[in-house]
Amino acid sequence: AQSVTQLGSHVSVSEGALVLLRCNYSSSVPPYLFWYVQYPNQGLQLLLKYTSAATLVKGINGFEAEFKKSETSFHLTKPSAHMSDAAEYFCAVSVQGSGSRLTFGEGTQLTVNP
Amino acid sequence: DAGVIQSPRHEVTEMGQEVTLRCKPISGHDYLFWYRQTMMRGLELLIYFNNNVPIDDSGMPEDRFSAKMPNASFSTLKIQPSEPRDSAVYFCASSNGASPGSEQFFGPGTRLTVL
Repeated sequence: AQSVTQLGSHVSVSEGALVLLRCNYSSSVPPYLFWYVQYPNQGLQLLLKYTSAATLVKGINGFEAEFKKSETSFHLTKPSAHMSDAAEYFCAVSVQGSGSRLTFGEGTQLTVNP
Repeated sequence: DAGVIQSPRHEVTEMGQEVTLRCKPISGHDYLFWYRQTMMRGLELLIYFNNNVPIDDSGMPEDRFSAKMPNASFSTLKIQPSEPRDSAVYFCASSNGASPGSEQFFGPGTRLTVL
């Protein structure tokens, strides 16, 4: 079965600093990987996804993630944090044969300090 | 499109009462998912449907929980009887197609409080 692990349940950065949220996956078959964001009192929203095309994926709001098979990682980055980036971020994985079923990580709460 | 619609947005009930949560997926989507989110357990998949048929209900906590999808535009999640430990935010999501790369679109959630 496939799974994802998010390293760090809480990450705090200063406004303007680099954002790095870590995600490692486990899958015996080629994975499809996603990052979702959840703002307070809202549902989850897709930031970006990797579907076996380019390994560097660009998403909304200036976020990007790089698929590294050798490291089984899919870390999320943003060069310069903005106060509006404060939210909870979820990494998720899906594989062929599972329909569009996702397995989510535990989530990382991002705090942006002024 | 209005997106995934859930109702009610907030529900407060007393232990032992029946609770029904409702979801309208995005038109044309053939997969529907029910999730539960709590501080302790994070985001859990309860059940999902494909073309109105339940595919996997292994995440349903116990027999007190049931879900139906009578047609392509409506699904319910019922808890009977409810207990305080059922307090959580329940999300409905829908997607289009069986591709593992398909995006799931989430509703705003129903915040359930069982007293």
